[in-house]
Amino acid sequence: DGGITQSPKYLFRKEGQNVTLSCEQNLNHDAMYWYRQDPGQGLRLIYYSQIVNDFQKGDIAEGYSVSREKKESFPLTVTSAQKNPTAFYLCASSDPGLAGDQETQYFGPGTRLLVL
Amino acid sequence: AQKVTQAQTEISVVEKEDVTLDCVYETRDTTYYLFWYKQPPSGELVFLIRRNSFDEQNEISGRYSWNFQKSTSSFNFTITASQVVDSAVYFCALSEFKGYQKVTFGIGTKLQVIP
Repeated sequence: DGGITQSPKYLFRKEGQNVTLSCEQNLNHDAMYWYRQDPGQGLRLIYYSQIVNDFQKGDIAEGYSVSREKKESFPLTVTSAQKNPTAFYLCASSDPGLAGDQETQYFGPGTRLLVL
Repeated sequence: AQKVTQAQTEISVVEKEDVTLDCVYETRDTTYYLFWYKQPPSGELVFLIRRNSFDEQNEISGRYSWNFQKSTSSFNFTITASQVVDSAVYFCALSEFKGYQKVTFGIGTKLQVIP
């Protein structure tokens, strides 16, 4: 079955520590996205990538970094510069070349990040 | 700037009642897309429907139906004969092409269906 996987499901970060959230998709989608969800709020875009080896900042990129070395993988690193990292992180993908459905983003199960 | 408003933050209904979730959007573009997603307690966002700005036909899928009205910039979602499994947070979203598909989400409506 095609889909998006995120790991781990829960992640704990200590002060001053960088942590990396994994996102893998086997949908053969070119575009991938990272969103942050805080309680009572909608999703906010952190980073997006439209193609391998290219990525762009979203609305709240400060304190985060990404890489896109492979089409199926788009890991997100939460750095120590992110002062309020506790949130639910969702990864999504879409296929901009798929006529009739290029705008639809499909989501993974999410990672909940907690600060110790 | 694009904006999505879901004025109902929480709704409670008794099982088998009908319920409508409201969504109002703002955009200056003539070409855009509207979505509804369901987020059950597990957290994953589940895609429900996509509508483009040129197609105002209402859609029905089982107990779900959607009413798109450009005149009022609304894209409302109705669940008929609600069930406990419908309990979730529902997000309305607006997508426009800004060099990439920029999606703006509403804050979500939490639906609780009481048995």
